[in-house]
Formats: sequence, C-alpha cells, structure tokens
Amino acid sequence: NAGVTQTPKFRVLKTGQSMTLLCAQDMNHEYMYWYRQDPGMGLRLIHYSVGEGTTAKGEVPDGYNVSRLKKQNFLLGLESAAPSQTSVYFCASTGGQGRDTQYFGPGTRLTVL
Amino acid sequence: GQQVMQIPQYQHVQEGEDFTTYCNSSTTLSNIQWYKQRPGGHPVFLIQLVKSGEVKKQKRLTFQFGEAKKNSSLHITATQTTDVGTYFCAGAPGSNYKLTFGKGTLLTVNP
Repeated sequence: NAGVTQTPKFRVLKTGQSMTLLCAQDMNHEYMYWYRQDPGMGLRLIHYSVGEGTTAKGEVPDGYNVSRLKKQNFLLGLESAAPSQTSVYFCASTGGQGRDTQYFGPGTRLTVL
Repeated sequence: GQQVMQIPQYQHVQEGEDFTTYCNSSTTLSNIQWYKQRPGGHPVFLIQLVKSGEVKKQKRLTFQFGEAKKNSSLHITATQTTDVGTYFCAGAPGSNYKLTFGKGTLLTVNP
C-alpha cells in the first residue's frame, strides 16, 4: 500500500514549455486535490476532483488544467509554463466526505526558468 | 470566500519551552484539522476536532476547538527538537468538498 505517489519528484522547465504532473493513489479515494505551496503562502488549492471524470476549480486555477480519467489518477497539466509557476506541488486524496482527513503525496518541486 | 487565518507565522523557542499556534475562521466550521509538515516533507494529518468546545490530547500536544466552532489552537508542552516543522490548521464549512488551509506556523526549536 503506497498511499499517494507523485511523479516526477523534481523538474526544471523553460518558460513556455509544457508538462504533466501525475498523482496516483491506491486507497480507492473518491476525492483528489492539487495544491501549490509557496513560502509564506501556505497550501493553495489549484483544482480538485470529487470522483472519476469530474474536476473543479480551486483558489488558483489559472494556467493549469487537470484530468481524472481513472479514479486512482489525477493529472495536473501546465500548457505553457511561467516563472510564477515555480513552486512545490502537492497532491492529496481523501475518502468518505471531502472534508475528511487528507493524505498527501511527497510533492513535486518545479522550477520554471 | 472562506478564510482561515493562523498566527503566529513563525515561532522560535528554546527546547523545553511551550508553544501555541492559533487558527481563526471567518465562517463556522464543520470540523478543524491539524497537519504537521517537517522541513522538506509533506503535510501529515495530526488530528480532527468536530464538536464545539472539544479538547483532545496527543502526548505533549493539546488541541482545542472553540465553542463557536470558528477558532482552534494547538499547544505543545515542553517542546523538543523533534517538534520542528510547520503546523497547519484546515477547516471546511458545512458539507464541503474541500478544506481551506491556514498559512501555517513554522516552529523552530533551539536545543
């Protein structure tokens, strides 16, 4: 039981490049979330999903897209990376109701030059 | 939208001193959760409080949920170097699919 995993762990992009971050969970959780963490800003919700095939915008969705084609996977895409997207990205999942305990992945550290 | 404010932003203590972080919400919460993030790590769930006025303890950590369910606190007695990290509170109003996190309190402990 690996819990929540994220790939890659680190990535450096040039401005304008695209990439996809993958989050996978093996706990059969319905709800999945993408956060970004910046110094002094805490955790800010980018997008979330309440089940397979659903997505919704969070607090800071601009510049990101997501997909939840399979229940266990939640993908975060950056179509045209910008330096302002340099951050640590965390994925989380929760079972039961969405306000229950969230289980976080180890994070992806992304730098955009 | 809902806001969750957390103070202080930083706290530096000598080992053995006590530490408290406070969390305040602009709206009534259905529950409050606390997470700890070690330096370089990811947030890890500590506890959830649901009832008005609830108090829970985990060894040296004491968690409280206010009577109005709009504020909470985490108190650590006699800090140790292993307590170093950022402590986040997170709450959800009513039946909500998502939590709103406070900005966290970074605790450093001088041995």
